[in-house]
Amino acid sequence: GQQLNQSPQSMFIQEGEDVSMNCTSSSIFNTWLWYKQDPGEGPVLLIALYKAGELTSNGRLTAQFGITRKDSFLNISASIPSDVGIYFCAGLPGTASKLTFGTGTRLQVTL
Amino acid sequence: DAGVIQSPRHEVTEMGQEVTLRCKPISGHDYLFWYRQTMMRGLELLIYFNNNVPIDDSGMPEDRFSAKMPNASFSTLKIQPSEPRDSAVYFCASRLSGRFSGANVLTFGAGSRLTVL
Repeated sequence: GQQLNQSPQSMFIQEGEDVSMNCTSSSIFNTWLWYKQDPGEGPVLLIALYKAGELTSNGRLTAQFGITRKDSFLNISASIPSDVGIYFCAGLPGTASKLTFGTGTRLQVTL
Repeated sequence: DAGVIQSPRHEVTEMGQEVTLRCKPISGHDYLFWYRQTMMRGLELLIYFNNNVPIDDSGMPEDRFSAKMPNASFSTLKIQPSEPRDSAVYFCASRLSGRFSGANVLTFGAGSRLTVL
């Protein structure tokens, strides 16, 4: 089956620093999604990407759909304490109905 | 819309008891998914429905697990009998299929945290 490799697994950064994380796939995806999960809650959509090469921003967050369709990147600029949580990438290949989720990146922000 | 509604939020039960988790998807969504999340295995897809019909249940761990969707606004995930290894957070999610912007995006419920003693 398809697998999504997400890295890094965890990050400990200081407030104000920029953050980068990425996902790579062994096969092509037509949709990439980035979610954030706060403790005790379900994942919440941050950014959706639908076209290869697409670069989309949502406030301090920017995500890119890799041109090979096999990867995606999420950047967070000027991190703040409320950025703490687990970030998941997810991909949808073609007309398949099942999203494939990455293993998550756990982000900790220190003051 | 109130989003995807799950109940109960927390359930503590003893081994061998029956557990029923409930989900109300977003009105109009045609796909409904049940996921399980644990530290060891991350997010696992258990089963999903399209227009109330189960499409793929290959992720259901074993016969003790069953899911139903009697109508477009309600689904249940049942575990009978429950075991300690079933302890996890169970998420329900729904989406609307299509080719428009925002299509195919899963919206998750807040989850049901199950502890089996």
